[in-house]
Amino acid sequence: QKEVEQNSGPLSVPEGAIASLNCTYSDRGSQSFFWYRQYSGKSPELIMFIYSNGDKEDGRFTAQLNKASQYVSLLIRDSQPSDSATYLCAVNPDTGTASKLTFGTGTRLQVTL
Amino acid sequence: DVKVTQSSRYLVKRTGEKVFLECVQDMDHENMFWYRQDPGLGLRLIYFSYDVKMKEKGDIPEGYSVSREKKERFSLILESASTNQTSMYLCASSVQDRGGGYTFGSGTRLTVV
Repeated sequence: QKEVEQNSGPLSVPEGAIASLNCTYSDRGSQSFFWYRQYSGKSPELIMFIYSNGDKEDGRFTAQLNKASQYVSLLIRDSQPSDSATYLCAVNPDTGTASKLTFGTGTRLQVTL
Repeated sequence: DVKVTQSSRYLVKRTGEKVFLECVQDMDHENMFWYRQDPGLGLRLIYFSYDVKMKEKGDIPEGYSVSREKKERFSLILESASTNQTSMYLCASSVQDRGGGYTFGSGTRLTVV
């Protein structure tokens, strides 16, 4: 069983719409949660992290965490063609010093004109 | 600007060769990681290190070894390259706390022929 699950997509949204990306995880003790964006042929870049239940907003991005449901999501408001990329969800299941992340396989987002 | 630098962007090696992939970070991060990324399989952890001269196996260590003689440098070694090791290799580093999101290098696309 995969530890971090994402729908592979592609998720297609029109320019200006809200894109909603979802992720579930299996380890109930997980402490921190990350969203990375990866453009084709490039390495992942960190866009958001969240520790506590609820919402965290940063510009057009909002991360949502529900630990009871073991669910984390990323909302992108006013989607732009430049947001077209693969979005990776990552979870830190450890409480120790080595912050070893487990990644989902990613959701490909396409923002259409 | 903080950086994780991987020595080669593209590499072609022959089956049976010993291959060295180098990674250097300038952020004084304690943790360093080597992942490989393959279509449909996502990011898979090969090895990681949380201190100089310390190393731990990840999920797929077979056929690989690592070296961390200095805090800023983490090397991945393919002892005898095989065609199934053709992949994108990503190095990352992080600090030792739960907020330790990774900073990735630009990646090395290795082809073994």
